[in-house]
Amino acid sequence: DQQVKQNSPSLSVQEGRISILNCDYTNSMFDYFLWYKKYPAEGPTFLISISSIKDKNEDGRFTVFLNKSAKHLSLHIVPSQPGDSAVYFCAASANDYKLSFGAGTTVTVRA
Amino acid sequence: DAGVTQSPTHLIKTRGQQVTLRCSPKSGHDTVSWYQQALGQGPQFIFQYYEEEERQRGNFPDRFSGHQFPNYSSELNVNALLLGDSALYLCASSSTGGLIYEQYFGPGTRLTVT
Repeated sequence: DQQVKQNSPSLSVQEGRISILNCDYTNSMFDYFLWYKKYPAEGPTFLISISSIKDKNEDGRFTVFLNKSAKHLSLHIVPSQPGDSAVYFCAASANDYKLSFGAGTTVTVRA
Repeated sequence: DAGVTQSPTHLIKTRGQQVTLRCSPKSGHDTVSWYQQALGQGPQFIFQYYEEEERQRGNFPDRFSGHQFPNYSSELNVNALLLGDSALYLCASSSTGGLIYEQYFGPGTRLTVT
């Protein structure tokens, strides 16, 4: 039962433009959401997170938006840079350390 | 300061065999979680160890077992390997009471079952 879904397997964006990654979830108990970035041959690294009591969190070029009523969150990267090319995972937690991950979106930033 | 380390990097086993994967947590961390990432999928939670005991478990059969040692390092054991066990196995460490996003992942062990 996939409780976290990333329906876009890949995204190609031109350098300098905005990248928008989407994520949907089904479990109403999730109260904390995270985005991870993964390069080949490395483990996922934490990027940005948001608590369910907020609807937006910003960290530099990265902004995460949460729409609880729609059970939807998105990650915006502005401006996109070549080093942002990676696999991005959306993850969720229900107040514990167990993370439920989406299948990931591969982002390619074109020069 | 070494991060999370895992060994071996790659492993090839035959169906029916048993395998042991190892993880050393980041310095100062006392909790270890294991995840299985099949090709084209996101990581799936297997179980978590704290104080040498299994604290949480995901939807994995009993063929998957683990252990945590007094120095907080951990092992993942898989018995009676199936072809479907081929995956990247990730270890994540954290500190009890720490923030949830302060989980650090190792590079993983790539297991191939033939």
